[in-house]
Amino acid sequence: EVQLVESGGGLVQPGRSLRLSCAASGFTFDDYAMHWVRQAPGKGLEWVSGISWNSGSIGYADSVKGRFTISRDNAKNSLYLQMNSLRAEDTALYYCAKDPNPEVAAAGTFDYWGQGTLVTVSS
Amino acid sequence: DIQMTQSPSSLSASVGDRVTITCRASQSISSYLNWYQQKPGKAPKLLIYAASSLQSGVPSRFSGSGSGTDFTLTISSLQPEDFATYYCQQSYSTFFSFGPGTKVDIK
Repeated sequence: EVQLVESGGGLVQPGRSLRLSCAASGFTFDDYAMHWVRQAPGKGLEWVSGISWNSGSIGYADSVKGRFTISRDNAKNSLYLQMNSLRAEDTALYYCAKDPNPEVAAAGTFDYWGQGTLVTVSS
Repeated sequence: DIQMTQSPSSLSASVGDRVTITCRASQSISSYLNWYQQKPGKAPKLLIYAASSLQSGVPSRFSGSGSGTDFTLTISSLQPEDFATYYCQQSYSTFFSFGPGTKVDIK
């Protein structure tokens, strides 16, 4: 059974940093691209970032480019999102999502999702 | 960037009704269109990928159609567990944008 478990969310002041983690199990992690998708309270879904199976291809939404960094450790079956210079508009539930494809460029389908970790940016 | 729109934004329907939700892309995305269902407090669930392919385990009352810029999600006979919000999403180009969602509730 595919499981994705996010962690690392919390309350953080504007301008500070936070690192999210996603622990994956139930599938061969290094065969697939992975993504972060967020959802602001009461709002819709927004793709944040994606990374290919071997970290060779990475993409970011314009809203986070230059502030967020996605990475993965295939040996630990883990996905990460380093979030710097956080803003109030980054407040959201952050989901880790698996892609059925290995490459970001040929990807963008989210076939399994975690339950999310809440990030609140407020002073 | 590709913008996605959905209509209606919400609808009320009864169990057994046929429900159709429309999604439109701001440019042609071929068949790179996915549909998700999200229930309150839950993560989204993939229903349809590549415009018309049913994800494994999803009931056959769900179907998708369309290509280019115009797409539809159809629920042939609405069931109590189908009351949820539905999102379309393009996978044609990186920055994988979602539609704003269509909330389906009980009439």
